[in-house]
Amino acid sequence: DAGITQSPRHKVTETGTPVTLRCHQTENHRYMYWYRQDPGHGLRLIHYSYGVKDTDKGEVSDGYSVSRSKTEDFLLTLESATSSQTSVYFCAISGLGTGDNEQFFGPGTRLTVL
Amino acid sequence: AQSVTQPDIHITVSEGASLELRCNYSYGATPYLFWYVQSPGQGLQLLLKYFSGDTLVQGIKGFEAEFKRSQSSFNLRKPSVHWSDAAEYFCAVGAGGKTSYDKVIFGPGTSLSVIP
Repeated sequence: DAGITQSPRHKVTETGTPVTLRCHQTENHRYMYWYRQDPGHGLRLIHYSYGVKDTDKGEVSDGYSVSRSKTEDFLLTLESATSSQTSVYFCAISGLGTGDNEQFFGPGTRLTVL
Repeated sequence: AQSVTQPDIHITVSEGASLELRCNYSYGATPYLFWYVQSPGQGLQLLLKYFSGDTLVQGIKGFEAEFKRSQSSFNLRKPSVHWSDAAEYFCAVGAGGKTSYDKVIFGPGTSLSVIP
């Protein structure tokens, strides 16, 4: 299995509080992604990174920010959590970052916003 | 814009029966196509992928998929289902290109239940 860990694995928080999720990889892959998974929607891309300090938005980026200060870490921040951000969040990595390359997924973080 | 539909939200099959999961995509050029599987509480794992060449693609765990350009489909098949195949299956499409990131769009998923 690809070396990808996510922390925390579960989190319950209240509306309006900031939340940061961490993705850590040991594969030295250049590309990292954050997805959210919701019933009936599959996985939707939030943000992605194509290198240290290089990030861009995905299809559902509103309300989220990311940072990547090291190759191995990709942080997802909810500045002020809302109930609509209750979801399961997956981090993924890939070596090439093009559409023809396999992505490897972390185990996910279940976030509940009350 | 790329899009993926999986017409079956949930499928139930008996162990040992054959399986076909449907996937239709929308994309203007030749697509890159994937099938991923997600076991309960786990992340996604790649089953197989199609880029070019032979339209029948073999994957892991005895799965195969056939690309049909005329039908914009990439259906997943398995001749004999095992109880351990119960999971969520996602079809995905990515654009081509080697010089820039291309987003991978996932379908909504099909949940497979297997009756012993």
